[in-house]
Amino acid sequence: QVQLQQSGPGLVKPSQTLSLTCAISGDSVSSNSAAWNWIRQSPSRGLEWLGRTYYRSKWYNDYAVSVKSRITINPDTSKNQFSLQLNSVTPEDTAVYYCARQNWNRRGAYYYYYMDVWGKGTTVTVSS
Amino acid sequence: DIQMTQSPSSLSASVGDRVTITCRASQSISNYLNWYQQKPGKAPKLLIYAASSLQSGVPSRFSGSGSGTDFTLTISSLLPEDFATYYCQLSYSTPPYTFGQGTKLEIK
Repeated sequence: QVQLQQSGPGLVKPSQTLSLTCAISGDSVSSNSAAWNWIRQSPSRGLEWLGRTYYRSKWYNDYAVSVKSRITINPDTSKNQFSLQLNSVTPEDTAVYYCARQNWNRRGAYYYYYMDVWGKGTTVTVSS
Repeated sequence: DIQMTQSPSSLSASVGDRVTITCRASQSISNYLNWYQQKPGKAPKLLIYAASSLQSGVPSRFSGSGSGTDFTLTISSLLPEDFATYYCQLSYSTPPYTFGQGTKLEIK
């Protein structure tokens, strides 16, 4: 059974860096079939996909345009986990942050992707 | 980017009712559409992927249909545990993985 355990501070000051970690059990961050995502949720923005990291013979990252200049998602193979760093935060970054595994199912030539395992969420408040 | 619009934003229904929630994409997305259920204080839970495929362990009273731009999630007979917020999500192989704004299903 795959589980994701999130950790990190719940309060970050404006202009500082938000850092969260997602520890994986029951799967590998280096899996050739999964991707590892960060998603956040706030009343104003709803559910917002932020980015992902995945391994397909080498490491790849994808980021949402809205945060691309401020975000880094890194895998840590030694600890089987991945992390989120969001720089220069403002109160608009206040949200519940989730990590999630992205899996897929193949139907003939087509691949269907979905988030099938989620962390429990971390409430992050940006405030001085 | 493709936008996902759900309707209604909220819905009141009774236990035993049949309920349908709609998701519309701003352009054709074939059947690259997922549905999630979220209860207060919990992470979203995958219900359906590829528009109509039931995720393992999800009760058969949940079903999805549609292709192109218009999709529906149907709950055939509501149980008390089904009152939650439901989200659709674009699920191409490449991001962004845009979510709809959600439909809150409340007890009448």
